[in-house]
Amino acid sequence: DAGITQSPRYKITETGRQVTLMCHQTWSHSYMFWYRQDLGHGLRLIYYSAAADITDKGEVPDGYVVSRSKTENFPLTLESATRSQTSVYFCASSVGLATYEQYFGPGTRLTVT
Amino acid sequence: AQTVTQSQPEMSVQEAETVTLSCTYDTSESDYYLFWYKQPPSRQMILVIRQEAYKQQNATENRFSVNFQKAAKSFSLKISDSQLGDAAMYFCAYSQGGNTPLVFGKGTRLSVIA
Repeated sequence: DAGITQSPRYKITETGRQVTLMCHQTWSHSYMFWYRQDLGHGLRLIYYSAAADITDKGEVPDGYVVSRSKTENFPLTLESATRSQTSVYFCASSVGLATYEQYFGPGTRLTVT
Repeated sequence: AQTVTQSQPEMSVQEAETVTLSCTYDTSESDYYLFWYKQPPSRQMILVIRQEAYKQQNATENRFSVNFQKAAKSFSLKISDSQLGDAAMYFCAYSQGGNTPLVFGKGTRLSVIA
């Protein structure tokens, strides 16, 4: 299907485990972003990428790793999950044209027990 | 760093009435973009309206309009003829443009009363 997808949609994991959240877009957008949403904080940027093999840290990058070997994929890995990483994670992409609109995936709700 | 403030954690409005959600931001830049996103219970982030800072005219999209006051760094959203489907969390967001990441406010939860 066309658009931006995230998997899994829901995930429960234990403290200390490694978990990877997947993000895939079919538009060939250059820019991709990872945000986390927490009550009282809105959405905060974790990492973003301007193109394949180009990534940069956002506001809350600690404990997360990203890679972007292909334009369409932007996985987010929690190396050793902590309870403070319980959140809803959103992936987004933008085409790089003048509107600068970002298109969001459906989100992944992650619970770390 | 840019910041976005939404001072109303919750708002309510009667169906068919008008409601205004407030947003202020802080930036030293002269060119930037402002957005309002809607997040219904499905969690999907939906772009409602967009304003380019270089445009003096306020953006309008059907029942949604903004009051953009650049000097005051204010960007409020007005929803006219409110409908039950407007009930959602609304986020104000700022972008420097050039595909820089969005900076979000904490959100305003809007309830619509039948």
